[in-house]
Amino acid sequence: QVQLVQSGAEVKKPGSSVKVSCKASGGNFRNFVLTWVRQAPGQGLEWMGGINAMFGTANYAQKFQGRVTITADEYTSTVYMELSSLSSADTAMYYCAKSYCTGGSCPFDNWGQGTPVTVSS
Amino acid sequence: EIVLTQAPATLSLSPGERATLSCRASQSVTSYYLSWYQQKPGQAPRLLIYAASTRATGIPARFSGSGSGTDFTLTVSSLQPEDFAVYYCQQDYSSVSFGQGTKLEIK
Repeated sequence: QVQLVQSGAEVKKPGSSVKVSCKASGGNFRNFVLTWVRQAPGQGLEWMGGINAMFGTANYAQKFQGRVTITADEYTSTVYMELSSLSSADTAMYYCAKSYCTGGSCPFDNWGQGTPVTVSS
Repeated sequence: EIVLTQAPATLSLSPGERATLSCRASQSVTSYYLSWYQQKPGQAPRLLIYAASTRATGIPARFSGSGSGTDFTLTVSSLQPEDFAVYYCQQDYSSVSFGQGTKLEIK
């Protein structure tokens, strides 16, 4: 069973950046497609982007283009999400998730525990 | 961008009753690309259904999904106390988007 363990809570100033990590265990990391989803307090789920760990290719939601970078380190089986130019609107729980790709669809079948990020002056 | 609209926003039912949750897409979504998730307070989401009607590993048979095109449904045949949660539909036919969620609460 794949397990995803995320880094701890972050408190950041407006205008700064945050980098959250997600370490995978229990599977072949190179075969993973990994995604980042965030959830603002009391709100729904919002897809940010994902990465194919084998090829290192990432794609991003249009909303976050230019502000988010997702990378993967196959040697440590860790995926990273860096979000820049933070504002209070970025205060949220950030989740990494692994996809189970079948056919052309990749639903998210394993989730990390979440990393709370607070942006406050 | 495909917008998913879930209805109702809140559904109040009693244990043992049948729950029917709706997810409508702003444009046609091949059913293969429609999934459902359950989220309980303080927890990460959990995959329930993928490809519109296939239960994920370990999901009880009381959960079922159906639909095609723009209209999809998640049904819980007989609600158990642990089923009261928020449910999200999600598509990855064109980029990725989630519905806004349906809160299933105890009546």
